[in-house]
Amino acid sequence: AQTVTQSQPEMSVQEAETVTLSCTYDTSESDYYLFWYKQPPSRQMILVIRQEAYKQQNATENRFSVNFQKAAKSFSLKISDSQLGDAAMYFCAYALTNAGKSTFGDGTTLTVKP
Amino acid sequence: ETGVTQSPTHLIKTRGQQVTLRCSSQSGHNTVSWYQQALGQGPQFIFQYYREEENGRGNFPPRFSGLQFPNYSSELNVNALELDDSALYLCASSLTGERETQYFGPGTRLLVL
Repeated sequence: AQTVTQSQPEMSVQEAETVTLSCTYDTSESDYYLFWYKQPPSRQMILVIRQEAYKQQNATENRFSVNFQKAAKSFSLKISDSQLGDAAMYFCAYALTNAGKSTFGDGTTLTVKP
Repeated sequence: ETGVTQSPTHLIKTRGQQVTLRCSSQSGHNTVSWYQQALGQGPQFIFQYYREEENGRGNFPPRFSGLQFPNYSSELNVNALELDDSALYLCASSLTGERETQYFGPGTRLLVL
């Protein structure tokens, strides 16, 4: 069974600085995707970034980038130039390619200090 | 383009009752998945619907059931509610061929007393 582990229940960062959220996963499959979702207190889950396992290049979306280490089964999220609006719960998730079932970690609560 | 919508936003029920939650998928998305998110935890997969049929189920008992309609909207039904069913219920939609990439609705907060 696939599992996703987020070892940092809480993280904090100063506004304008950089923070990295960690995620590890376990799978015996080779064709899958990894995701980071953001869930603000308003509770709507928002897709931040996704990474296809077959792609060597790390995904980036504006201030958000990932460090995907396939052999180590590690998938961290880096947020650069942190903004107050980045404060939220962040979830790492795994899904087999073209499967509508995602497995989520338990989340990391990110606080951004002004 | 309309995103995923869910209704109602909040619901209070008593133990033993039945509840129906509704979801409208994002425009053009024909696959709907339902998740249960307990407080302080990540979402847990309940089941997925594709072409009006259940297409994968998580570790949830049969009293959790669903429907998908020809317009791809979906319902989640829970019978014989238990206190532990109190949670945020999330609906997510996706496209055929890209079902791994899901777009979530705002959720329905269910409280069972």
